Amino acid sequence: GQNIDQPTEMTATEGAIVQINCTYQTSGFNGLFWYQQHAGEAPTFLSYNVLDGLEEKGRFSSFLSRSKGYSYLLLKELQMKDSASYLCAVRVYNAGNMLTFGGGTRLMVKP
Amino acid sequence: ETGVTQTPRHLVMGMTNKKSLKCEQHLGHNAMYWYKQSAKKPLELMFVYNFKEQTENNSVPSRFSPECPNSSHLFLHLHTLQPEDSALYLCASSQDRSGNTIYFGEGSWLTVV
Repeated sequence: GQNIDQPTEMTATEGAIVQINCTYQTSGFNGLFWYQQHAGEAPTFLSYNVLDGLEEKGRFSSFLSRSKGYSYLLLKELQMKDSASYLCAVRVYNAGNMLTFGGGTRLMVKP
Repeated sequence: ETGVTQTPRHLVMGMTNKKSLKCEQHLGHNAMYWYKQSAKKPLELMFVYNFKEQTENNSVPSRFSPECPNSSHLFLHLHTLQPEDSALYLCASSQDRSGNTIYFGEGSWLTVV
């Protein structure tokens, strides 16, 4: 099976930068996704990494190191609306390309 | 608006009731999924349909019965549920099963009393 770990909760200040880490142990790795989920709403797609390196998309960036089984989501210039859960998910070949999700990191942005 | 619509958004049912959750996607996708999200637990994949054929059943109890009449619609029929089945049930879709990004609906909050 797959083992995906991310911190349960984090707190950061408005305007700051926060890094949410995700580590995984799996075979047949075929990509890593980050989703954002506001309370009571659908998870929405943020980013996708399949090769090592940094993918930047506005205030959000995601990094992947396949050799270390490690990814992070970087949020810059934090806004109050960024308070949400951030879900890391790994896709593997030998699980039919299905996504396996981590438990999510609940981020609270304070003024 | 994600293009995946779920109804009802909230459902309370007794353990002897029969109810159904409905999902419709307007994205032209061919794969649809049911996920379960319980408090303090990761999202759990329940069922996968690809071109209307069920391709995954993740050891889900038979009191949950999926139905996919066409590529745009997915149902989850519920029968004799237990209180521990109370959770958020999320429908999702993707272009196909080859690994494209999946898009989630808003979810149906289910409470079993």
